[in-house]
Amino acid sequence: EAGVAQSPRYKIIEKRQSVAFWCNPISGHATLYWYQQILGQGPKLLIQFQNNGVVDDSQLPKDRFSAERLKGVDSTLKIQPAKLEDSAVYLCASSLGSSGNTIYFGEGSWLTVV
Amino acid sequence: DQQVKQNSPSLSVQEGRISILNCDYTNSMFDYFLWYKKYPAEGPTFLISISSIKDKNEDGRFTVFLNKSAKHLSLHIVPSQPGDSAVYFCAAKPRSGTYKYIFGTGTRLKVLA
Repeated sequence: EAGVAQSPRYKIIEKRQSVAFWCNPISGHATLYWYQQILGQGPKLLIQFQNNGVVDDSQLPKDRFSAERLKGVDSTLKIQPAKLEDSAVYLCASSLGSSGNTIYFGEGSWLTVV
Repeated sequence: DQQVKQNSPSLSVQEGRISILNCDYTNSMFDYFLWYKKYPAEGPTFLISISSIKDKNEDGRFTVFLNKSAKHLSLHIVPSQPGDSAVYFCAAKPRSGTYKYIFGTGTRLKVLA
């Protein structure tokens, strides 16, 4: 069974530029998560989708971050404009449901903002 | 407010000995807990989970213990192997609401050959 796929793996951009990350969850997983992991910290949830609806986006900086999951499968996370403090690993994860299920992570998209 | 804490940023253990990684939480509503292992340049990999209705769960060399009264869980790795060297994260989820997992800051384990 294929795992969570993410791209690109690595991205370097200048501040104020934009960037987009793509995620394809494990087949059949209804719940999709985007986490941000800053060096030395644990993953922090940015947004959680149940199918194509948003369940939790309370920690998403909505002035610059946006995410969508149009058909309930793939998802994109966009940052515009990027700031230096956005340098982090962006982890996509998925789970079968939203309650009590194990979440499975992709390999992450590493963003450096210079 | 850090609801899930891993107070030891790093741990070194001799190969073949036991590794004990600790995790404390503050929210009594947490009822499901996960442990992940993360190698450099990779995403976290699920290791083992435990529900609040249990106090122990075992999977091969990995055992997780949950002490609800102390709001403490620990991951035991026996025997430790050099390939276990990684960063370990614990995560917790409340029994209701948006089921958002809260992660600790991680403990870097180094198993010495």
